[in-house]
Amino acid sequence: AQSVTQLGSHVSVSEGALVLLRCNYSSSVPPYLFWYVQYPNQGLQLLLKYTSAATLVKGINGFEAEFKKSETSFHLTKPSAHMSDAAEYFCAVSGINDMRFGAGTRLTVKP
Amino acid sequence: NAGVTQTPKFRILKIGQSMTLQCAQDMNHNYMYWYRQDPGMGLKLIYYSVGAGITDKGEVPNGYNVSRSTTEDFPLRLELAAPSQTSVYFCASSSTPSGISPYEQYFGPGTRLTVT
Repeated sequence: AQSVTQLGSHVSVSEGALVLLRCNYSSSVPPYLFWYVQYPNQGLQLLLKYTSAATLVKGINGFEAEFKKSETSFHLTKPSAHMSDAAEYFCAVSGINDMRFGAGTRLTVKP
Repeated sequence: NAGVTQTPKFRILKIGQSMTLQCAQDMNHNYMYWYRQDPGMGLKLIYYSVGAGITDKGEVPNGYNVSRSTTEDFPLRLELAAPSQTSVYFCASSSTPSGISPYEQYFGPGTRLTVT
């Protein structure tokens, strides 16, 4: 069965610093991978998705993720953090009829 | 488009009470899902539906029931509320199953439920 593991439940960066949120996946078939963001008291919003068309995927708000099959990873990055990026981020992998989510990483951005 | 809507936003239940969480979508999506979100646990799938009249269990279905009489609506029923059901519940919809095609799920704003 497909699954994802997010490394680090909390990440703290300074405004303007690089954001790196880690996600490793396990899948017996080529995976479809997603990153979602959740702002306080809101639902999840799609940041980006990997569909095998390109290994480097660009999403909204300046985020991007790189699919690395050899490392079974799909890490999320942003070159320069903004205060508005503070949120919880979820990595997910698609299953047969559902989606399996990681436990989430809470990003804090310090001024 | 309103997208995915959920009611109520908040609810406090006593142990043993019943309630229905409402979910509706106006995107004509065939697939709909119910998740619960507990701190540090990510989202766990409770039930899903692949179309009107068709539902199936997810990871954590015990204590819940669903029905899907129309494409638009997918209510979640709690029959005998227990403290373990205190959680935030999210409804989502998708145009195709995620496993076949990379179409993402669209989420509602959630219902925060407390059982005391």
